Parts: sequence; structure tokens; C-alpha cells
Amino acid sequence: GDSVTQMEGPVTLSEEAFLTINCTYTATGYPSLFWYVQYPGEGLQLLLKATKADDKGSNKGFEATYRKETTSFHLEKGSVQVSDSAVYFCALSDRGTNAGKSTFGDGTTLTVKP
Amino acid sequence: DAGVTQSPTHLIKTRGQHVTLRCSPISGHKSVSWYQQVLGQGPQFIFQYYEKEERGRGNFPDRFSARQFPNYSSELNVNALLLGDSALYLCASSLGQGRFGYTFGSGTRLTVV
Repeated sequence: GDSVTQMEGPVTLSEEAFLTINCTYTATGYPSLFWYVQYPGEGLQLLLKATKADDKGSNKGFEATYRKETTSFHLEKGSVQVSDSAVYFCALSDRGTNAGKSTFGDGTTLTVKP
Repeated sequence: DAGVTQSPTHLIKTRGQHVTLRCSPISGHKSVSWYQQVLGQGPQFIFQYYEKEERGRGNFPDRFSARQFPNYSSELNVNALLLGDSALYLCASSLGQGRFGYTFGSGTRLTVV
């Protein structure tokens, strides 16, 4: 079945540091890929997405590129802020009959210190 | 526009009881999905409904059931509650079946004692 493996956390960075959170996936089909962010006490928010190979999703300074050859979708940001502290989830959504099911990684907790 | 709204926000139930969780999708969204999120883990897929029909079911026991109403709102029902059902239950809506991502509600925190 489908699965998503994320870099284990927690990750602690100083403000303005470079961020990478690794994500690899296994899927039987040709999935869409997502990064969601969850702030304390809230639901998940869609951060960015990519629906086909070599697509780059971007939002709020975060980027991730859909790499089919390495089955990866690593999240990056050039300069993190304290307000980026949250839990980040990588996810995939398959197509066809399973299009409605999203499979999530276990999340990576990011803490940014001033 | 209102986002995805879920009720109640918090709930405490006793083992063996039944619970109903409610979700209203974003206006115009025809798909509603339910997820269970245990502390420290990613959300696990329970159900998806699209145009009032069940389109997907995750690996959950038959104690879990759901339905979608003509106005596209949805209910998740859980019978014979177990301690292990304690979790954050998330509802998510989308225009289509989720290929372009979901909008999540803030969830219902269920505690079974």
C-alpha cells in the first residue's frame, strides 16, 4: 500500500537558518504530493502541493519539488522565522479509485528559536 | 467565507458509549473526508464521501460509520467506544476528490474514559 516516510524530529533551528525536511514515498499509482502544517491546537493547513513529476510547489517561502526518480518531496525554506514553528506533514493522494484517500507521514516538529 | 466547521470541539465519553461528530464543509465543496489523529502521529484515513456516496474507507472497524447529507454536511458515528478511540478527529473538504488537497477543520478532541 501507499506510505510516506518523513525525517524524524524534532528539528530545532535558529531564526534565519536554512530548513530541509526530508520526505520519501511509496505509491502504487502516480500520486499528488502535499505538505501540510499544523499549529498548536489547530487542524492541518495545506502549505503547498505538486501534482506531477518535476512540479515545484511553493508558498510562504517554502518549496518542494516532486522527484519521481527518487520518490521524494523534500520541504525547504531559505530563512526560517519563529512563526514557522509547527508540525509539518508530508502526504500523498493517489488517483483513480483511491483518489479520496490521503496518506500522511508522522510529522516533523520544527522549533525556531530567536 | 466560513472554513470547515466541526462540532463539538471537545468531548468526553465513557467506554461503551456512542458518539456522533459533525462537520460542515466549505460552501461548494462536495467531498468530505474523516481522519483520526492520535497524538504524535499523522492523520489516518477513515472515510471519504463524495456527492453523498461513500468513495473510500480506511482500515477501521465496523464500529465506525459515516454519512453525508444533501447539503454535503457529514456525520461520523462511533459505537461501543474504546479507550483507544481517544484522538483528534479531523474533517476535511474539497471540491473534487482530493487530488489537489484538502481544507481541514480544527477537529474534535474525543477523550474516552
